[in-house]
Amino acid sequence: AQKITQTQPGMFVQEKEAVTLDCTYDTSDPSYGLFWYKQPSSGEMIFLIYQGSYDQQNATEGRYSLNFQKARKSANLVISASQLGDSAMYFCAMRAKGGGNKLTFGTGTQLKVEL
Amino acid sequence: GAGVSQTPSNKVTEKGKYVELRCDPISGHTALYWYRQSLGQGPEFLIYFQGTGAADDSGLPNDRFFAVRPEGSVSTLKIQRTERGDSAMYLCASSFGGQGVDEQFFGPGTRLTVL
Repeated sequence: AQKITQTQPGMFVQEKEAVTLDCTYDTSDPSYGLFWYKQPSSGEMIFLIYQGSYDQQNATEGRYSLNFQKARKSANLVISASQLGDSAMYFCAMRAKGGGNKLTFGTGTQLKVEL
Repeated sequence: GAGVSQTPSNKVTEKGKYVELRCDPISGHTALYWYRQSLGQGPEFLIYFQGTGAADDSGLPNDRFFAVRPEGSVSTLKIQRTERGDSAMYLCASSFGGQGVDEQFFGPGTRLTVL
């Protein structure tokens, strides 16, 4: 079974600052992928970034980067130069090879970007 | 191109009634997923289709829930004898169904309210 833990129910960040959203995971499967999704108040889930368990380098996608620490089983999302439009719910998710194609999500972190 | 669409966007029904929720995936996507998201929680997996067949239905909570995808495109999630605890946002996603990232694209969801 796979488990995702997001321990920060809410986070605040000042505009233009960087913020780190925490995610730890648990799986016995050696092959897995980690995802981050953004869910604005409108409700749609928007894919942000992906990290494969065998990827040697941390994933980056524009202002998003993933701080992947395999030994600690953590996959924290770093958002640089925060913008007001980044205010949303952020979900970490995992797909393990032995678990089929389904995503297992954490409980999310509500991020609020302030002026 | 068109994204994943879901109808209706909102459904209000009475306890004990039958409901159908529809999902129209992105053209060319062979994989289709249903998730359920309760307020303040992350999405929870219900069922996954690869083509016309249900490859994994381990997330369906009980036999009141059933889903079909008869022609490998549109899918319908059917809930019999609805209960108040079924109230949630029902999200549909689709993907190419391959290896690696295989990003799941989500629809806007159907908000189901059982009175």
